Amino acid sequence: GNSVTQMEGPVTLSEEAFLTINCTYTATGYPSLFWYVQYPGEGLQLLLKATKADDKGSNKGFEATYRKETTSFHLEKGSVQVSDSAVYFCALSEGDMRFGAGTRLTVKP
Amino acid sequence: NAGVTQTPKFQVLKTGQSMTLQCAQDMNHEYMSWYRQDPGMGLRLIHYSVGAGITDQGEVPNGYNVSRSTTEDFPLRLLSAAPSQTSVYFCASSWDSIYGYTFGSGTRLTVV
Repeated sequence: GNSVTQMEGPVTLSEEAFLTINCTYTATGYPSLFWYVQYPGEGLQLLLKATKADDKGSNKGFEATYRKETTSFHLEKGSVQVSDSAVYFCALSEGDMRFGAGTRLTVKP
Repeated sequence: NAGVTQTPKFQVLKTGQSMTLQCAQDMNHEYMSWYRQDPGMGLRLIHYSVGAGITDQGEVPNGYNVSRSTTEDFPLRLLSAAPSQTSVYFCASSWDSIYGYTFGSGTRLTVV
């Protein structure tokens, strides 16, 4: 079945550091891929998405590219801020939506 | 525009009790899903629906029932609560799953 594997956390970075959170997937067909963010005590918010191979999703300085050849959708940001501290989830959708375990990011001033 | 509304926000149940978690959306979305979130395990799909009258099981359906009589509502029923069902439950909806889901704010359930 479909599944998502993302790098284990927690990840701790200093402000303005470069961020990469790895995500790989297993799917039977051609899923859409997503990154969601969850701030403390809140539900999940859609951060970005890509619906086909080679698409790049981007939002708020975050970006991720749908790589079919490596079945990956890594999240990157060039310069993180304290306000980016949250839990990030990679997900895929092919009818229903499946999530990775989440990666907690803490950004220190 | 309320989005996805879940009630209650918090609930404590005794083992063996039953209850229904409510979920309503006002966006005319066809797709609706229930997830549970446990530490270190991400979100696991319990049940989902692709339209009124149509439901299907997800990864962890045991102990839960759903029905979808209207487009707006997708209640989740716990038949006989167990401590293993202590979790945070999220409802989500989407016009089409390829565009991503909108999530409710969650229900924190504790079974003692």
